[in-house]
This record gives sequence, structure tokens and C-alpha cells, in this order.
Amino acid sequence: AQKITQTQPGMFVQEKEAVTLDCTYDTSDQSYGLFWYKQPSSGEMIFLIYQGSYDEQNATEGRYSLNFQKARKSANLVISASQLGDSAMYFCAMRPNDYKLSFGAGTTVTVRA
Amino acid sequence: EADIYQTPRYLVIGTGKKITLECSQTMGHDKMYWYQQDPGMELHLIHYSYGVNSTEKGDLSSESTVSRIRTEHFPLTLESARPSHTSQYLCASSLGGANVLTFGAGSRLTVL
Repeated sequence: AQKITQTQPGMFVQEKEAVTLDCTYDTSDQSYGLFWYKQPSSGEMIFLIYQGSYDEQNATEGRYSLNFQKARKSANLVISASQLGDSAMYFCAMRPNDYKLSFGAGTTVTVRA
Repeated sequence: EADIYQTPRYLVIGTGKKITLECSQTMGHDKMYWYQQDPGMELHLIHYSYGVNSTEKGDLSSESTVSRIRTEHFPLTLESARPSHTSQYLCASSLGGANVLTFGAGSRLTVL
């Protein structure tokens, strides 16, 4: 089974500041995809950003950017200009060749006013 | 507007009862998934389907069963519910080689 590690169980960030959420993964596949999802307290899973293993550029989606370091097998999420609505749990996930998406343990982000 | 629907959203049931959690998607996605998630914890894949009449168990062992008779429908059944089955069950789907999973709103099951 693939392994995704998120070492930060919880983080606090001041409104309007940036926050980086760590994610490392382990796979022997050459082709894979990396994802970040947001889960608010309501429970739904919201897709944020995707990075393919062969993509040379780091992915960006609005205030979200993914810092992809392939050799280190890391895919950190950066949220810029944090907003109160960003308070949620954030999951890193990886899709190997068999399309079975595996998730990390998640990081809870709390944005302070 | 949700394109993947799960019912019921909340279910409280007694031990020993049979339950079916429904999941339907209107996007024509070929792949569908069931994940189990305890509060504040990671998601664990319990079932997935590559297409009609194709189902396989995921990485986490589960006493539940699934079926995929139609592309759009992927129900999950527990023949005899137990308190250990109390959890949130999330259904998801994706299209072919596309990568993004679209999730339903989830079904929160409580077994007394």
C-alpha cells in the first residue's frame, strides 16, 4: 500500500498570513498524482489542487500552490493570505497506477482573526 | 450543485439491522469508491469499482459489501450492523484517466 505522511496534526495561522502544510509520500510508481483536499466541519471533501508526477511546474490554483519536490517525495501545500473560511482539515492524497487514492492523516488548520 | 448523491445523510440504527447506503452519480464516471472515515481521522478505502460488474475490496478490511449493476449507482450494504461500524462513509467517483475524485456529502452511521 502507498504511504502518505502528514506530520502536523494541527496548525494555527493568523488571518492574511501564509501557511505551509507538509506532505511526504512513498511510492515505487513512476507515474502518480498528488492531491490536496479540504474538509470543513460539515464533512464534505473539497478538491483544491492537483500535481502530476511528470509535471515540471508546481501547480497553482488561486491562493493554493503545491510545492512539489519529486526527489524528496514531498508535496507541500501553501495557502497564501489565509481567510477565516480556510479553517478546516486538509488532506494530502496520492493516486498510484491503480487509481486507488490513498490519504494522509490530515492537518487541522485554524485561522485566527 | 451536487453531481454525486448519498442517502441517507444521517442514520441511527440498532445492532443487527441490515442497512444500505446509497450512492448515485450523474456524471457518467466509470470509477467509484467508498471510503470510511472516523471523526477527525484519515479516510480509508474500503471498496472500489472500475466499472459495471467490477468491484474490489480496498486497503481497509470491511464487513460491508457493494454492487455495481449500473454505472451511476454504487450502494454499500451491511448485513448486520454493529457498534464498530459507527463511522462516516464517503462515496466518490472519477472518470477514466482523469485524476480528481468527486465526493458525495457523506453518510454518518451510528449503530447503537
